[in-house]
Amino acid sequence: QVQLQESGPGLVKPSETLSLTCTVSGGSVSSGSYYWSWIRQPPGKGLEWIGQIYYSGSTNCNPSLKSRVTISVDTSKNQFSLKVSSVTAADTAVYYCARRTLGYWYFDLWGRGTLVTVSS
Amino acid sequence: QSALTQPASVSGSPGQSITISCTGTSSDVGGYNYVSWYQQHPGKAPKLMICDVSNRPSGVSNRFSGSKSGNTASLTISGLQAEDEADYYCSSYTSSSTLVFGTGTKVTVL
Repeated sequence: QVQLQESGPGLVKPSETLSLTCTVSGGSVSSGSYYWSWIRQPPGKGLEWIGQIYYSGSTNCNPSLKSRVTISVDTSKNQFSLKVSSVTAADTAVYYCARRTLGYWYFDLWGRGTLVTVSS
Repeated sequence: QSALTQPASVSGSPGQSITISCTGTSSDVGGYNYVSWYQQHPGKAPKLMICDVSNRPSGVSNRFSGSKSGNTASLTISGLQAEDEADYYCSSYTSSSTLVFGTGTKVTVL
């Protein structure tokens, strides 16, 4: 079955750029049926939708993060990625990648999540 | 965009029914039938429990049901069981073509 796996550094320094990748296995990121999203959850807090990408490269992001977020897709590697620039301690969170079906607004498949800590 | 409002905690005894509310605006919950509910156990990824206001994905117990009235959506858990103890989050599509989550509700089984 299709699985998602996040990967990337667990520790990032303040003011630097956080970079994560989500690898899609058992399926294709190039499928025209899905959007691929990033969602984060600060320790002990709630979920926050960061943004999404379609295989064509079309993106949509949370307005509160839009100026610092870049989401991209690499169909040759079956991956999509997240970059958050100028990070602060407030960006410390578990970052999840997730899938939603085109035309619907729910996430039926999630990665296990990866904790990213922003600290010097 | 502001998070949807949920009660911080709800509790009930085994076998009872509980309801969690999710309040938004006419630009999100009230304007679209794209409300979903997720269950999250500690240290785990969220699990989809209800989509499109009231639809249950395959494999989700029929003890979980969803509804909506105006700008408020609700998740009802009937026949409460110990395994239902978890955090629950609602989400909704918004008029800005984005998605917003609720503040989250901790369900405790007494």
